Amino acid sequence: GAVVSQHPSWVICKSGTSVKIECRSLDFQATTMFWYRQFPKQSLMLMATSNEGSKATYEQGVEKDKFLINHASLTLSTLTVTSAHPEDSSFYICSAPIEAGGLNTDTQYFGPGTRLTVL
Amino acid sequence: GQQLNQSPQSMFIQEGEDVSMNCTSSSIFNTWLWYKQDPGEGPVLLIALYKAGELTSNGRLTAQFGITRKDSFLNISASIPSDVGIYFCAGQRDWGGADGLTFGKGTHLIIQP
Repeated sequence: GAVVSQHPSWVICKSGTSVKIECRSLDFQATTMFWYRQFPKQSLMLMATSNEGSKATYEQGVEKDKFLINHASLTLSTLTVTSAHPEDSSFYICSAPIEAGGLNTDTQYFGPGTRLTVL
Repeated sequence: GQQLNQSPQSMFIQEGEDVSMNCTSSSIFNTWLWYKQDPGEGPVLLIALYKAGELTSNGRLTAQFGITRKDSFLNISASIPSDVGIYFCAGQRDWGGADGLTFGKGTHLIIQP
């Protein structure tokens, strides 16, 4: 089956530093990937849509200058949390829709998530 | 952001019992998906529904896409200990995977042996 990986799985950083999270589609190409954030005991909330070769689109209330997204290839999207603060501590999860015949399908597969803790 | 209305929030059941949970929305979704999430992991897709009225099974799981496209339910028959976890419904508005998903708040399933 389709596999989406994320790296790192866990990251602890000091306040004010930047953290980069990678999302890879391992056995399929993904022109579109999605980034979600999940706070403890809450549901997943869509942050942004990552588009290969073009700018990401952000959901309302998500700061694009704080959460930088780069989708440089058909299998890799990165999320950089700039100048991280304790309130950015969360579980960040990416997803990608499977492509069939060059088109995205409606089935999305999720990565295993990255736990970010900002001290 | 918007969330789907998912209920119940949690369920305490005996092993072997059947489970039912549902999601509703005030707006139409063209795809409904059900995921299971274990602690510290990403959601795993259980069932995907693409047509209004569609009833789909995956082993002991059965899910239906409401005819109005504003609701869906998931049933689990003869629950076993490994069914423990948090179940999320998710809706997608546009076909073709161009949309991110809107999630329900989750149903926490706890099974007593």
